[in-house]
Amino acid sequence: GAGVSQTPSNKVTEKGKYVELRCDPISGHTALYWYRQSLGQGPEFLIYFQGTGAADDSGLPNDRFFAVRPEGSVSTLKIQRTERGDSAVYLCASSLEGQGYYEQYFGPGTRLTVT
Amino acid sequence: AQSVTQLDSQVPVFEEAPVELRCNYSSSVSVYLFWYVQYPNQGLQLLLKYLSGSTLVKGINGFEAEFNKSQTSFHLRKPSVHISDTAEYFCAVLQGGSEKLVFGKGTKLTVNP
Repeated sequence: GAGVSQTPSNKVTEKGKYVELRCDPISGHTALYWYRQSLGQGPEFLIYFQGTGAADDSGLPNDRFFAVRPEGSVSTLKIQRTERGDSAVYLCASSLEGQGYYEQYFGPGTRLTVT
Repeated sequence: AQSVTQLDSQVPVFEEAPVELRCNYSSSVSVYLFWYVQYPNQGLQLLLKYLSGSTLVKGINGFEAEFNKSQTSFHLRKPSVHISDTAEYFCAVLQGGSEKLVFGKGTKLTVNP
C-alpha cells in the first residue's frame, strides 16, 4: 500500500516568510510524528499527534512553529517568520496504534531552505 | 533525558567483509531500541527493533543487533556486506511510556568493491 507522503519535496523561501509543510500518513494510522533533520545530524523530535490532538509538542523549538491535524489524518507543519537556522529536512512519520505500534514509518521528507 | 551515541560517524569497508556499527544509549528503566537505514534521497526504513525477550534481534537484509543492558549498547552487525548496503544508519531509543524517538547522529557506511 501507499506509504507516508510529504509535500512539497523541496521548498525554498526567503527569511521572514511563512511556510506550510504537508504530511499524508498511511491510511488508518492514528499516530503521527514530525521530526527535523539538520545537516549531519540525526532526526530530532518535534511533535506527536494521537488522533487530532497534539499529545506531545515538547520538541517544537519556539512559538514560530505550529502543527495541526484537524481531521486526524493529514497534518500540516507551519513555520512563521522563517529564519536561516530553520533550514533542514522535515520528516513525518506515522504508526498504527496496537499493532507493532512502536514502529514509526517515515516519509521521504521536505527539504526546507531559507535564504 | 535520553541520549544516543553512535561512536563512528563514518565506516568504510570492503565488499563481503563483516561490519559492526556501534550504538550506546543513556541508561533508563525500560527502553526500546531501533536501527533505521537511510539510503540516499530516501526516507528512513526500519532495519530491526528490540522491545523485549531475546537480546539478539534479527532484521532485514541480513542485519542483526544485540541488546546489552549492562553495557547500555545495541550494536548492529552484518557478517558480509554488499555494495547495496552503502547508506546512513541511525540508532534510536524510545523510553517506555513515551512516543518520542531519540536518534543518534548516524553512521555512514560505505562499502567499496
